[in-house]
Amino acid sequence: AQSVTQPDIHITVSEGASLELRCNYSYGATPYLFWYVQSPGQGLQLLLKYFSGDTLVQGIKGFEAEFKRSQSSFNLRKPSVHWSDAAEYFCAVVGTNAGKSTFGDGTTLTVKP
Amino acid sequence: DAGVIQSPRHEVTEMGQEVTLRCKPISGHDYLFWYRQTMMRGLELLIYFNNNVPIDDSGMPEDRFSAKMPNASFSTLKIQPSEPRDSAVYFCASTSDRGHYGYTFGSGTRLTVV
Repeated sequence: AQSVTQPDIHITVSEGASLELRCNYSYGATPYLFWYVQSPGQGLQLLLKYFSGDTLVQGIKGFEAEFKRSQSSFNLRKPSVHWSDAAEYFCAVVGTNAGKSTFGDGTTLTVKP
Repeated sequence: DAGVIQSPRHEVTEMGQEVTLRCKPISGHDYLFWYRQTMMRGLELLIYFNNNVPIDDSGMPEDRFSAKMPNASFSTLKIQPSEPRDSAVYFCASTSDRGHYGYTFGSGTRLTVV
């Protein structure tokens, strides 16, 4: 069975500082991996996805994520956080033959001025 | 494409009343998902459909909840009778290619049962 763990429930960073949100997954083969962002009062929006190829993937809003097979991780990064990045972030995994994603519990990002 | 469209955006109803939430997926998407989100339990998958057929309804909390997908462009989630503990934000999402390109979520329906 596939699973996703986001170890950090809540992270606070200062505006302009760098950001890294952690995600660990469990799946027997190489999964399809995703990061979503949910702004207050909104649905989840896809930030980026990975399946194969370059292990560093670029997404929207200046985010990137790095797939590390040896660590079963897919951490999300941004070099300089903006106040508008304050939101909840979800990591998700889909198996090769599945249609159903497994979502992590989410990490809430607070940005200090 | 206008994205996944959910209606209504907000619903306030009295306990015991029937509530129907609606979803129009993206054209061409063959998977549709209903989620519920609360502060206490986070994001929960209630049920999902593939080609209009329910595949997994193990997340539906009880018999008061039912979902249908009569055609590829419309789905409903019904709660009858509603209870205060059903208060939550309900999201619909759709995808194609077995979800390998990610999901598109609607803006959600905020349900308040008083």
